[in-house]
Amino acid sequence: GAVVSQHPSWVICKSGTSVKIECRSLDFQATTMFWYRQFPKQSLMLMATSNEGSKATYEQGVEKDKFLINHASLTLSTLTVTSAHPEDSSFYICSALGPGSETQYFGPGTRLLVL
Amino acid sequence: AQRVTQPEKLLSVFKGAPVELKCNYSYSGSPELFWYVQYSRQRLQLLLRHISRESIKGFTADLNKGETSFHLKKPFAQEEDSAMYYCALTGGGNKLTFGTGTQLKVEL
Repeated sequence: GAVVSQHPSWVICKSGTSVKIECRSLDFQATTMFWYRQFPKQSLMLMATSNEGSKATYEQGVEKDKFLINHASLTLSTLTVTSAHPEDSSFYICSALGPGSETQYFGPGTRLLVL
Repeated sequence: AQRVTQPEKLLSVFKGAPVELKCNYSYSGSPELFWYVQYSRQRLQLLLRHISRESIKGFTADLNKGETSFHLKKPFAQEEDSAMYYCALTGGGNKLTFGTGTQLKVEL
């Protein structure tokens, strides 16, 4: 139980285009999901906290207009990287809070390459 | 501000040798500490948390508030323990702050 999926697993796009990444909790409802990014050989950095039915809470330094988060249902949160640039190339990972617990379950990640 | 420090990027040990992955933290309140593990080509998964005081796959970790440490230990390393290990903390909420990770390599 407590499986989180991400789609796509990897994406290559041209500079200036927008990319949407989906995060789904497959067998549980998640009122809270988190989005992280990880650069090569670096740690996971929290970008934002996504709450179902309300606006996401962004960490300091993360542009909310650049990284649009939508958490429209209890099993789906989406991250849209708008007008992507090469510096946005990274590994994006989501997690979801398990039912009635404080444990975060992580998705497999999405590798984004912006050319 | 909360901070997690893992001083070793890479730790290489022989099979059967003891393992200790170091983790120090900085937080003004009462943190909750975790160890996450990422095996090759797999997703990040929770290994253990300090409030559970349990042993998972032979690993244990004790929170030392005086030294602000939460080192991960295992008395006898196994080949399947080779992975990336991340120490993390939350400070009363659910937001995790991760350390930079330690790659454990268990050699035969």
